Amino acid sequence: KQEVTQIPAALSVPEGENLVLNCSFTDSAIYNLQWFRQDPGKGLTSLLLIQSSQREQTSGRLNASLDKSSGRSTLYIAASQPGDSATYLCAVLSYYDKIIFGKGTRLHILP
Amino acid sequence: GAGVSQSPSNKVTEKGKDVELRCDPISGHTALYWYRQSLGQGLEFLIYFQGNSAPDKSGLPSDRFSAERTGGSVSTLTIQRTQQEDSAVYLCASSSGTGLLYLSGNTIYFGEGSWLTVV
Repeated sequence: KQEVTQIPAALSVPEGENLVLNCSFTDSAIYNLQWFRQDPGKGLTSLLLIQSSQREQTSGRLNASLDKSSGRSTLYIAASQPGDSATYLCAVLSYYDKIIFGKGTRLHILP
Repeated sequence: GAGVSQSPSNKVTEKGKDVELRCDPISGHTALYWYRQSLGQGLEFLIYFQGNSAPDKSGLPSDRFSAERTGGSVSTLTIQRTQQEDSAVYLCASSSGTGLLYLSGNTIYFGEGSWLTVV
């Protein structure tokens, strides 16, 4: 059974710092991994999707990496801003077309 | 439509009543997911529809929960005899592609959710 874990559960950093969010999964038989952002009281917004054959994806200040063999992904946020404050969720699409989510990391950027 | 639409956005119901939550996916999307998110918790998979295939119901927590998808488009999640522990936000998502989602690496798109409170 696929399990997705995100560490840390919560993180507070001063504005301007670079930071890394971690995601691990127990079953490497995945098709892709996706990072989402969730603002309070809102649905999820897709940030980056990495196919199983890829190592990383970049979008603006965000960079996501994938090491399928070790079951790990990281989301790197450069030059953090207060507007980055949100919950970040990692999700994997397994071979049975079921998308499994981690519990998320609550990020707070201090102005 | 432009995005995944869910209704109602908020629902307060009395314990023991039945509720129906509706999801209207992005036009042309064949895959549809329902998830539940309780306060402070992660997303819990409930059910997955893909085209005309039999749905994956493995995440439904009890037989009080059921879902259907008519005409391969709109989906309704029904909760019978609601309990207080059913209080959560119910999120629907859709994605394009065939049963072989991995081939196209399609992103899934979420609605804003239906916030259910059972009192």
